[in-house]
Amino acid sequence: AQSVTQLGSHVSVSEGALVLLRCNYSSSVPPYLFWYVQYPNQGLQLLLKYTSAATLVKGINGFEAEFKKSETSFHLTKPSAHMSDAAEYFCAVTRSDSSYKLIFGSGTRLLVRP
Amino acid sequence: GAGVSQSPSNKVTEKGKDVELRCDPISGHTALYWYRQSLGQGLEFLIYFQGNSAPDKSGLPSDRFSAERTGGSVSTLTIQRTQQEDSAVYLCASSSDFLAGDYTGELFFGEGSRLTVL
Repeated sequence: AQSVTQLGSHVSVSEGALVLLRCNYSSSVPPYLFWYVQYPNQGLQLLLKYTSAATLVKGINGFEAEFKKSETSFHLTKPSAHMSDAAEYFCAVTRSDSSYKLIFGSGTRLLVRP
Repeated sequence: GAGVSQSPSNKVTEKGKDVELRCDPISGHTALYWYRQSLGQGLEFLIYFQGNSAPDKSGLPSDRFSAERTGGSVSTLTIQRTQQEDSAVYLCASSSDFLAGDYTGELFFGEGSRLTVL
């Protein structure tokens, strides 16, 4: 079965600082991995995805994530936080051989301090 | 429509009442999903539709929960005899068929229906 663990329910950074949101997964088959973002009172939208092509994936709004099979990780980073990045971020995994069902982590709320 | 539409956006009900939540997916999307988001929790998978059939309903918490989809489009999630623990945001998402050539793995989410059971 697939599962996702997001370390840290809340992460606080200063504007301009590095953003690092952690995600570890478990999967019995090669996974597809996703990061979604949820702004207040909005639905989720896709930030980026890994589907077995390049291990370093670039997404929208300057975010990127690196798939590390040896560490079973897919951490999300952004070099310089902006106030508009404040939101909740969800990591998700699905099976590459039956990819209809996304399993989501519990989410990390990013706070950006001025 | 342009995006996934859900109604009502907010629903307050009394314990024991039945509620219906509606989802109108993106036109042409054959796959439809219901997830539940409780306070401080992640997204909990409830059910997946491919067309009008539900090959995976493993996430429905109890037999008080049911869902249907008609015409390969609109879906309704029904909760009977609501309990306080049913209070949550119910999210609907749609996507193209994962077996289709244009499948990207991306789910398109609505803004959710916030259910409060008093």
